[in-house]
Amino acid sequence: NAGVTQTPKFRVLKTGQSMTLLCAQDMNHEYMYWYRQDPGMGLRLIHYSVGEGTTAKGEVPDGYNVSRLKKQNFLLGLESAAPSQTSVYFCASSYEEGQGEAFFGQGTRLTVV
Amino acid sequence: DAKTTQPNSMESNEEEPVHLPCNHSTISGTDYIHWYRQLPSQGPEYVIHGLTSNVNNRMASLAIAEDRKSSTLILHRATLRDAAVYYCILRDFLNRDDKIIFGKGTRLHILP
Repeated sequence: NAGVTQTPKFRVLKTGQSMTLLCAQDMNHEYMYWYRQDPGMGLRLIHYSVGEGTTAKGEVPDGYNVSRLKKQNFLLGLESAAPSQTSVYFCASSYEEGQGEAFFGQGTRLTVV
Repeated sequence: DAKTTQPNSMESNEEEPVHLPCNHSTISGTDYIHWYRQLPSQGPEYVIHGLTSNVNNRMASLAIAEDRKSSTLILHRATLRDAAVYYCILRDFLNRDDKIIFGKGTRLHILP
């Protein structure tokens, strides 16, 4: 049971480049989330999804887009990367609202130069 | 979204119990209290959650005040591996729009 898998684990981008981060979960969870964590800070919610085909904005959505075409996958896109998007990105999934334990991936370390 | 307040940091000696407090004075009747922790260079991991009654599991205990406006995560015998940032989070089980919002958490230092 792999749980939550994030791809890639590390990436360096040049300013203006685009990329997509993939989050995959094999637990049939309805809810999926993308967070960013800057050094010494807590996690901030970027976007989330309450089910296949749905997405919603979190606390810091600007500069990012997401898609949830399949229940098991949640993609985070950066159309034109900026140095301010240098961060560690975490994905999470949860089975149900309120009670469900959330499982987190190991993170993607992104550097934009 | 109901908010939580935690101390920025705490210290404890190894092999002693640790009590991590969390205030949530605006908690609603349908909010579960969740605790997660984040070890260095790792993603957060679930610790425990509860609604009204105290809860125990292999990792910790959760003590919930009778008025539910505060709770305490109890690590019964801290080890060096318990050094982490601990987050207290409220999640509404009747809200389909379930955002999991993290605060700044409490950084727990364990002294050998």
